[in-house]
Amino acid sequence: DIVMTQSPDALAVSLGARATINCKSSQSLLYNSDNKNYLAWYQQRPGHPPKLLIYWASVRASGVPDRFSGRGSGTDFTLTISSLQAEDVAVYYCQQYYSDPPYTFGQGTKLQIK
Amino acid sequence: QVRLQESGPGLVKPSQTLTLTCAVSGGSITSAGSYWTWFRQHPGKGLEWIGYIYNSRTTYYSPSLKSRLTISVETSKNQFSLRLTSVTAADTAMYYCARDPNTGYSDYWGQGILVTVSS
Repeated sequence: DIVMTQSPDALAVSLGARATINCKSSQSLLYNSDNKNYLAWYQQRPGHPPKLLIYWASVRASGVPDRFSGRGSGTDFTLTISSLQAEDVAVYYCQQYYSDPPYTFGQGTKLQIK
Repeated sequence: QVRLQESGPGLVKPSQTLTLTCAVSGGSITSAGSYWTWFRQHPGKGLEWIGYIYNSRTTYYSPSLKSRLTISVETSKNQFSLRLTSVTAADTAMYYCARDPNTGYSDYWGQGILVTVSS
């Protein structure tokens, strides 16, 4: 299975400041035939199910604010929140869907307000 | 807008069979290109992909659960189900159903159901 490793495990950022979460995969998630990176990001607020934020590494899902952005290619990816809002307190997960299932997730990054 | 809602027992005894159902609204369970998926999340832990079903009968299961797991569709009720046999305390988790638009990521999720395995 492809192993996904996120850093840091926890992060505290001031309101209005930038938050950056990293995700590294044990093998490349770039599929050469379509030049897409098979990586998604999810947000899980306390007591709620995961919510899709980003897919194909950089495409925002419908309704996701533009302060959320995804970048990266191959094995290294980042999720950035440009200006942290109170409602962004959550655990964030990256997920690869490059390989045949089971699709695998990072261990999660807990984002809090400083 | 597709909506999903899990239902089932909150408490199951060890060695028994867990059956959960996911009711789908706002879309058809038979719609082409929808992979109906189950995940679970152990208390305080990360997300685990369990398996999916598509075209009403084609399934793919996590190797770690394959010997105990069945996912099926009930077309008349527009729902799909998870059946996990011989449960142990290690199966205690929040179970989520979701829709994968034949891509690998999941765009619609149910609210989840907490299942505890205990005597």
